[in-house]
Amino acid sequence: GENVEQHPSTLSVQEGDSAVIKCTYSDSASNYFPWYKQELGKRPQLIIDIRSNVGEKKDQRIAVTLNKTAKHFSLHITETQPEDSAVYFCAASTTGGGADGLTFGKGTHLIIQP
Amino acid sequence: NAGVTQTPKFRVLKTGQSMTLLCAQDMNHEYMYWYRQDPGMGLRLIHYSVGEGTTAKGEVPDGYNVSRLKKQNFLLGLESAAPSQTSVYFCASRRSAEETQYFGPGTRLLVL
Repeated sequence: GENVEQHPSTLSVQEGDSAVIKCTYSDSASNYFPWYKQELGKRPQLIIDIRSNVGEKKDQRIAVTLNKTAKHFSLHITETQPEDSAVYFCAASTTGGGADGLTFGKGTHLIIQP
Repeated sequence: NAGVTQTPKFRVLKTGQSMTLLCAQDMNHEYMYWYRQDPGMGLRLIHYSVGEGTTAKGEVPDGYNVSRLKKQNFLLGLESAAPSQTSVYFCASRRSAEETQYFGPGTRLLVL
């Protein structure tokens, strides 16, 4: 089955700086890669996703890049703000008619220092 | 439109007891999922369903059973709870034609 590795497990950045979280996946058939943000005690919330036919996607301060050849994808957050502090999870799945669930990374605890 | 809801929010069980977690969605989604989240482990898929009357095993199905008698409900059962099943359980659903999964608020389960 799919295996998703996520690094780092903890990331501390100064407010206003950029943060980058990286993930690798093992199954070349995976074609959907979402990122979820989870605040303490809350449910995971989708913040951005990318499909394998796209190399990069942006949404305001958030961007995701995908390298299919190397099987890795990254989350980039620019101009970080205190409300960005949370745990971020990457995930991968195979779609196209299948109902397979998501395989998640173990998460990155992002800490924004004032 | 409540989205995805879960009951109960929190439960304490003794080893060997049984219980059922309920997930309900009002978005007419075809696919539904049960995940568990443990510290440092991310979320792991337990079981999923592609429609009423159908279920399938995920990554960590042992010790759990599921049923999908109605399209809007997905039940997760623990027949004989074990301390290793202490976790936060999340339900999710999505449309068959879309990839985005929507999560419920979670059920925190403590097995003593």
